[in-house]
Amino acid sequence: GENVEQHPSTLSVQEGDSAVIKCTYSDSASNYFPWYKQELGKRPQLIIDIRSNVGEKKDQRIAVTLNKTAKHFSLHITETQPEDSAVYFCAASKGNKLVFGAGTILRVKS
Amino acid sequence: DAGVTQSPTHLIKTRGQQVTLRCSPKSGHDTVSWYQQALGQGPQFIFQYYEEEERQRGNFPDRFSGHQFPNYSSELNVNALLLGDSALYLCASSFTRLNIQYFGAGTRLSVL
Repeated sequence: GENVEQHPSTLSVQEGDSAVIKCTYSDSASNYFPWYKQELGKRPQLIIDIRSNVGEKKDQRIAVTLNKTAKHFSLHITETQPEDSAVYFCAASKGNKLVFGAGTILRVKS
Repeated sequence: DAGVTQSPTHLIKTRGQQVTLRCSPKSGHDTVSWYQQALGQGPQFIFQYYEEEERQRGNFPDRFSGHQFPNYSSELNVNALLLGDSALYLCASSFTRLNIQYFGAGTRLSVL
Protein backbone atom coordinates (compact mmCIF):
# COMPACT_ATOMS: atom_id res chain seq x y z
CA GLY A 1 0.00 0.00 0.00
CA GLU A 2 0.90 3.67 -0.05
CA ASN A 3 3.63 4.92 2.27
CA VAL A 4 4.39 8.59 2.90
CA GLU A 5 7.62 9.81 4.46
CA GLN A 6 7.94 13.36 5.76
CA HIS A 7 11.05 15.40 6.63
CA PRO A 8 12.17 17.04 8.78
CA SER A 9 10.40 15.94 11.94
CA THR A 10 11.11 19.32 13.57
CA LEU A 11 11.98 22.66 12.01
CA SER A 12 12.89 25.90 13.76
CA VAL A 13 13.08 29.13 11.80
CA GLN A 14 13.40 32.79 12.61
CA GLU A 15 10.37 34.97 12.01
CA GLY A 16 10.43 36.24 8.44
CA ASP A 17 12.48 33.33 7.11
CA SER A 18 11.16 30.63 4.79
CA ALA A 19 10.30 27.06 5.79
CA VAL A 20 10.29 24.00 3.55
CA ILE A 21 8.82 20.60 4.40
CA LYS A 22 9.32 17.63 2.08
CA CYS A 23 7.35 14.43 1.55
CA THR A 24 7.89 11.37 -0.60
CA TYR A 25 5.25 8.81 -1.56
CA SER A 26 5.54 5.26 -2.82
CA ASP A 27 2.45 4.66 -4.99
CA SER A 28 2.79 6.27 -8.41
CA ALA A 29 -1.00 6.05 -8.82
CA SER A 30 -1.56 8.63 -6.06
CA ASN A 31 -3.06 11.74 -7.60
CA TYR A 32 -4.07 14.06 -4.76
CA PHE A 33 -1.75 15.65 -2.20
CA PRO A 34 -3.16 17.83 0.59
CA TRP A 35 -1.34 19.58 3.41
CA TYR A 36 -2.86 20.03 6.85
CA LYS A 37 -1.90 22.29 9.74
CA GLN A 38 -2.73 21.11 13.25
CA GLU A 39 -2.36 23.39 16.24
CA LEU A 40 -2.16 21.87 19.69
CA GLY A 41 -5.52 20.39 20.69
CA LYS A 42 -7.23 21.45 17.47
CA ARG A 43 -8.47 19.82 14.29
CA PRO A 44 -6.25 19.30 11.24
CA GLN A 45 -6.93 22.25 8.96
CA LEU A 46 -6.53 21.95 5.20
CA ILE A 47 -4.16 24.71 4.10
CA ILE A 48 -3.38 23.81 0.50
CA ASP A 49 -3.67 20.87 -1.87
CA ILE A 50 -2.46 19.87 -5.31
CA ARG A 51 -3.54 17.31 -7.87
CA SER A 52 -1.22 15.29 -10.07
CA ASN A 53 -1.99 17.24 -13.23
CA VAL A 54 -0.42 20.38 -11.71
CA GLY A 55 3.23 20.99 -10.83
CA GLU A 56 2.86 23.94 -8.50
CA LYS A 57 0.15 25.82 -6.63
CA LYS A 58 0.41 28.99 -4.57
CA ASP A 59 -1.86 30.69 -2.06
CA GLN A 60 -0.43 33.89 -0.59
CA ARG A 61 2.57 32.86 1.56
CA ILE A 62 2.07 29.14 1.02
CA ALA A 63 3.05 27.10 -2.02
CA VAL A 64 3.20 23.41 -2.86
CA THR A 65 5.31 21.78 -5.57
CA LEU A 66 4.91 18.28 -6.97
CA ASN A 67 7.45 16.16 -8.81
CA LYS A 68 5.60 13.08 -10.09
CA THR A 69 8.71 11.51 -11.60
CA ALA A 70 10.57 11.57 -8.31
CA LYS A 71 7.37 11.00 -6.32
CA HIS A 72 7.90 13.85 -3.93
CA PHE A 73 6.09 17.05 -3.01
CA SER A 74 7.00 19.98 -0.82
CA LEU A 75 5.36 22.73 1.21
CA HIS A 76 6.94 26.16 1.13
CA ILE A 77 6.02 28.88 3.62
CA THR A 78 7.53 32.32 3.05
CA GLU A 79 7.78 35.22 5.49
CA THR A 80 6.99 32.97 8.43
CA GLN A 81 5.08 34.39 11.38
CA PRO A 82 4.72 33.13 14.97
CA GLU A 83 1.16 32.00 14.20
CA ASP A 84 2.59 29.57 11.62
CA SER A 85 3.92 27.50 14.53
CA ALA A 86 2.08 24.17 14.46
CA VAL A 87 2.39 20.57 13.28
CA TYR A 88 2.15 20.16 9.52
CA PHE A 89 1.07 16.91 7.88
CA CYS A 90 1.36 15.94 4.24
CA ALA A 91 -0.88 13.26 2.78
CA ALA A 92 -1.27 11.30 -0.45
CA SER A 93 -4.38 9.75 -1.95
CA LYS A 94 -5.32 7.79 -5.05
CA GLY A 95 -8.94 7.27 -4.21
CA ASN A 96 -10.81 7.57 -1.01
CA LYS A 97 -8.38 7.37 1.88
CA LEU A 98 -5.64 9.78 2.83
CA VAL A 99 -2.28 8.34 3.85
CA PHE A 100 -0.47 10.78 6.13
CA GLY A 101 3.14 11.48 6.85
CA ALA A 102 4.35 11.49 10.46
CA GLY A 103 4.23 15.29 10.72
CA THR A 104 6.65 18.19 11.06
CA ILE A 105 6.71 20.40 14.14
CA LEU A 106 7.37 23.95 12.90
CA ARG A 107 8.55 26.52 15.42
CA VAL A 108 8.78 30.14 14.36
CA LYS A 109 10.94 32.15 16.72
CA SER A 110 10.26 35.86 17.11
CA ASP B 1 -22.75 26.83 7.90
CA ALA B 2 -21.50 24.43 10.55
CA GLY B 3 -18.39 22.49 9.77
CA VAL B 4 -17.77 18.90 10.75
CA THR B 5 -18.98 18.25 14.29
CA GLN B 6 -18.06 15.35 16.54
CA SER B 7 -19.34 14.16 19.90
CA PRO B 8 -18.41 13.63 22.60
CA THR B 9 -15.27 15.74 22.96
CA HIS B 10 -13.69 13.49 25.55
CA LEU B 11 -14.45 9.99 26.74
CA ILE B 12 -12.96 7.74 29.40
CA LYS B 13 -13.58 4.00 29.26
CA THR B 14 -12.12 0.88 30.82
CA ARG B 15 -10.67 -2.13 29.05
CA GLY B 16 -13.26 -4.44 27.56
CA GLN B 17 -15.97 -1.80 27.28
CA GLN B 18 -17.60 -0.60 24.10
CA VAL B 19 -17.76 2.96 22.78
CA THR B 20 -19.73 4.87 20.15
CA LEU B 21 -18.48 8.10 18.61
CA ARG B 22 -20.59 10.37 16.44
CA CYS B 23 -19.95 12.65 13.49
CA SER B 24 -22.06 15.12 11.53
CA PRO B 25 -20.59 16.08 8.17
CA LYS B 26 -20.24 19.53 6.70
CA SER B 27 -23.33 20.70 4.83
CA GLY B 28 -23.34 19.39 1.26
CA HIS B 29 -20.96 16.52 1.99
CA ASP B 30 -22.01 12.91 1.46
CA THR B 31 -18.92 10.96 2.50
CA VAL B 32 -17.49 10.38 5.97
CA SER B 33 -14.05 9.00 6.79
CA TRP B 34 -12.74 8.03 10.21
CA TYR B 35 -9.12 8.28 11.34
CA GLN B 36 -7.23 7.35 14.50
CA GLN B 37 -4.48 9.70 15.60
CA ALA B 38 -2.11 8.46 18.29
CA LEU B 39 -0.09 11.04 20.21
CA GLY B 40 2.71 12.47 18.09
CA GLN B 41 1.67 10.64 14.93
CA GLY B 42 -0.24 11.32 11.75
CA PRO B 43 -3.86 10.20 11.39
CA GLN B 44 -4.37 6.57 10.36
CA PHE B 45 -7.31 5.69 8.09
CA ILE B 46 -9.92 3.42 9.69
CA PHE B 47 -12.70 3.35 7.09
CA GLN B 48 -14.89 5.46 4.83
CA TYR B 49 -18.67 5.49 4.41
CA TYR B 50 -20.62 6.54 1.36
CA GLU B 51 -24.28 5.87 0.57
CA GLU B 52 -24.61 4.16 3.95
CA GLU B 53 -22.02 1.52 3.09
CA GLU B 54 -18.40 0.98 4.04
CA ARG B 55 -16.52 1.82 0.89
CA GLN B 56 -12.94 1.26 1.98
CA ARG B 57 -11.23 0.01 5.12
CA GLY B 58 -7.80 0.49 6.57
CA ASN B 59 -5.75 -1.96 8.59
CA PHE B 60 -7.95 -2.08 11.67
CA PRO B 61 -9.52 -5.16 13.32
CA ASP B 62 -13.20 -6.03 13.17
CA ARG B 63 -13.63 -4.55 16.66
CA PHE B 64 -13.88 -1.27 14.78
CA SER B 65 -17.19 -0.90 12.97
CA GLY B 66 -19.26 1.94 11.68
CA HIS B 67 -22.50 3.13 10.26
CA GLN B 68 -23.75 5.93 8.08
CA PHE B 69 -27.29 7.23 8.32
CA PRO B 70 -29.54 8.60 5.55
CA ASN B 71 -28.69 12.17 6.63
CA TYR B 72 -24.98 11.32 6.01
CA SER B 73 -24.04 11.44 9.70
CA SER B 74 -21.93 8.56 10.94
CA GLU B 75 -20.98 6.54 13.99
CA LEU B 76 -17.78 4.73 14.87
CA ASN B 77 -18.11 1.79 17.26
CA VAL B 78 -15.23 0.11 19.01
CA ASN B 79 -15.82 -3.12 20.94
CA ALA B 80 -13.66 -4.83 23.56
CA LEU B 81 -11.54 -1.75 24.14
CA LEU B 82 -7.79 -2.17 24.62
CA LEU B 83 -5.36 0.25 26.24
CA GLY B 84 -3.86 0.78 22.79
CA ASP B 85 -7.15 2.19 21.51
CA SER B 86 -6.47 5.37 23.47
CA ALA B 87 -6.16 8.09 20.82
CA LEU B 88 -7.81 11.04 19.14
CA TYR B 89 -10.51 9.84 16.76
CA LEU B 90 -11.07 12.18 13.86
CA CYS B 91 -13.94 12.32 11.45
CA ALA B 92 -13.55 13.91 8.04
CA SER B 93 -16.28 14.71 5.56
CA SER B 94 -16.08 15.29 1.83
CA PHE B 95 -18.12 15.44 -1.36
CA THR B 96 -17.39 12.14 -3.01
CA ARG B 97 -16.48 13.54 -6.43
CA LEU B 98 -13.72 15.75 -5.02
CA ASN B 99 -12.37 13.86 -1.98
CA ILE B 100 -11.27 17.11 -0.32
CA GLN B 101 -11.57 16.09 3.32
CA TYR B 102 -12.40 18.48 6.15
CA PHE B 103 -11.84 17.34 9.70
CA GLY B 104 -13.81 17.66 12.87
CA ALA B 105 -12.17 18.52 16.19
CA GLY B 106 -12.09 14.88 17.20
CA THR B 107 -13.01 12.75 20.19
CA ARG B 108 -10.26 12.10 22.70
CA LEU B 109 -10.70 8.50 23.94
CA SER B 110 -8.83 7.33 27.00
CA VAL B 111 -8.93 3.63 27.88
CA LEU B 112 -7.90 2.80 31.44
